Amino acid sequence: AQKITQTQPGMFVQEKEAVTLDCTYDTSDQSYGLFWYKQPSSGEMIFLIYQGSYDEQNATEGRYSLNFQKARKSANLVISASQLGDSAMYFCAMREGRNSGNTPLVFGKGTRLSVIA
Amino acid sequence: DGGITQSPKYLFRKEGQNVTLSCEQNLNHDAMYWYRQDPGQGLRLIYYSQIVNDFQKGDIAEGYSVSREKKESFPLTVTSAQKNPTAFYLCASSIRREGLAGGWAKNIQYFGAGTRLSVL
Repeated sequence: AQKITQTQPGMFVQEKEAVTLDCTYDTSDQSYGLFWYKQPSSGEMIFLIYQGSYDEQNATEGRYSLNFQKARKSANLVISASQLGDSAMYFCAMREGRNSGNTPLVFGKGTRLSVIA
Repeated sequence: DGGITQSPKYLFRKEGQNVTLSCEQNLNHDAMYWYRQDPGQGLRLIYYSQIVNDFQKGDIAEGYSVSREKKESFPLTVTSAQKNPTAFYLCASSIRREGLAGGWAKNIQYFGAGTRLSVL
């Protein structure tokens, strides 16, 4: 079974609009971390935002916010005021495993976001 | 500047040839990772190392080998046993954080720019 599921292979959004990228995850651990990365066409993976399973508030980083619904096991990324430079692949990832900060991340298959002028 | 350097950016392999992808970091990170990315796919873990002279296999280790003789370096060799090596290879690193209450999971992995490997 997939640990991380991103159901939207591709998304389009108008410039300056908000967009939500979906991510659901599967784990039996109580303690875990969720990450979002951006991959522009250059290929490098850029860390965007993190949400811990025990964090009471949804994470925010500038125009990025995470809609974390623990009971539904979803961690959707919201990008507000989209810009042309936001066009990229976006990956959701998870770290599980009790107390091990260097457990590798498990990645979803990604969503390609295209911002239209 | 601190960061992760992968070289070369593009690499071509002939049939039956072993090739080595370089990954160097000057972030003083303990852990290093190799991922493979195929077109339209997510990242899959090949190998990772949490400390010098130690490494673990990931989900797709067959046909690959690694070494970790220095903290800064984690080279990946794609052997002739890897029959479908064409892919984008990404190296990452992170600080070792064991046993930090409430904070262990937020150990960000930082990535290099990647190496694109093709078969001639």
